[in-house]
Amino acid sequence: QVQLQESGPGLVKPSQTLSLSCAVSGGSISSSGYYWGWIRQPPGKGLEWIGYIHSSGSTDYNPSLTSRANISMDTSKNQLSLKLTSVTAADTGTYYCARRDGYNFGYRYWGQGTLLTVSS
Amino acid sequence: DILMTQSPSSLSASVGDRVSISCRASQSISGFLNWYQQKPGKAPKLLIYATSNLNSGVPSRFSGSGSGTDFILTISSLQREDFATYFCQQSYKTPLTFGQGTKVEIK
Repeated sequence: QVQLQESGPGLVKPSQTLSLSCAVSGGSISSSGYYWGWIRQPPGKGLEWIGYIHSSGSTDYNPSLTSRANISMDTSKNQLSLKLTSVTAADTGTYYCARRDGYNFGYRYWGQGTLLTVSS
Repeated sequence: DILMTQSPSSLSASVGDRVSISCRASQSISGFLNWYQQKPGKAPKLLIYATSNLNSGVPSRFSGSGSGTDFILTISSLQREDFATYFCQQSYKTPLTFGQGTKVEIK
């Protein structure tokens, strides 16, 4: 059974760069066909898709993030990473990593989420 | 971007009730519509994918239907553990987008 576990700093100051990791167990992140994504949720609000990295290494991002996001994978550690630059209070929320089994599929596997607060 | 609109935003129901939640897309999404359940402090859980396919382990009281731009999630007999927030999501094209959520509360 695939399991995902996010980790992060918890608190980041405005204008800094956020770095989050997602450790994957129970399967290889480079296994063919999977889409590994990041989704976030501001406190008490809905879900926003940040982007994905495909097992091939290709990426796609939500244009709403105005090129601030970067998703990468480290196959040696079997983990994903999200970097978000120039953070503001609007980036506060719970960040989830998740996996889709194909381009048009839903997210079947989710991490438990990591809460990030942007504050000085 | 494809806008996903759910209705209602919240509803109150009793155990045993039949409940339906609607989701409308701003353009046709070729049936690539997924439903999630989220409980407080937990990650979303995939219930239904591609309009009407039940994810493994999801009770059969959950069902999905629809086509084109209009979709429905139905819970045939609401159970206590079903009180949660439900989100629809289109996986037709990026950016992937979610509905704003429907909170199902106990009457």
